[in-house]
Amino acid sequence: AQKVTQAQTEISVVEKEDVTLDCVYETRDTTYYLFWYKQPPSGELVFLIRRNSFDEQNEISGRYSWNFQKSTSSFNFTITASQVVDSAVYFCALSEAWRTGTASKLTFGTGTRLQVTL
Amino acid sequence: EAGVAQSPRYKIIEKRQSVAFWCNPISGHATLYWYQQILGQGPKLLIQFQNNGVVDDSQLPKDRFSAERLKGVDSTLKIQPAKLEDSAVYLCASSPGTGQRDTQYFGPGTRLTVL
Repeated sequence: AQKVTQAQTEISVVEKEDVTLDCVYETRDTTYYLFWYKQPPSGELVFLIRRNSFDEQNEISGRYSWNFQKSTSSFNFTITASQVVDSAVYFCALSEAWRTGTASKLTFGTGTRLQVTL
Repeated sequence: EAGVAQSPRYKIIEKRQSVAFWCNPISGHATLYWYQQILGQGPKLLIQFQNNGVVDDSQLPKDRFSAERLKGVDSTLKIQPAKLEDSAVYLCASSPGTGQRDTQYFGPGTRLTVL
């Protein structure tokens, strides 16, 4: 069975600090996709990134960066120079291989609540 | 492009009452999902539709929950009768195609409180 673990329940940082959110996953699939979503207080899950299992290149998007390491089954997310607007719950998710021609369902971690203060 | 729409945003009911939620996915998206998110947890899939057929409803408590997707577009999720443990946020998501790589886009959710 697939599993996603986000061991950090809550993180508090002061604005401008860098912060890394950890994500460890378990799967027997050789082809899979990993996702990060942001859930602000409004409740909507906002898509941040998708990464496939064959692409271990790190990715940077503005202040956000992602480090995918297949050897340790981790897909960590770093926010550089955090801002108050980054305060939210962040979820890591893993797509499960399904029947051919059928979209996959996601297995989510329990989320990490990030609080950025002034 | 309009996002996933859901209504109502909030609902408070007494236990044993019934309730229905509505979802309108992003136009053209083939796959629609309903998730339940209990406070402090990640979303858990309840049911997945591809066009107007059910792909996966293994986690749907079928004795009280039902869902349908009319004409492969809008969807409704119903709970009858509600229990206290059904208090949660119900999220609807849609994805464009039918592949494993598809990204799911979520609506704002319906927060249900059962008293």
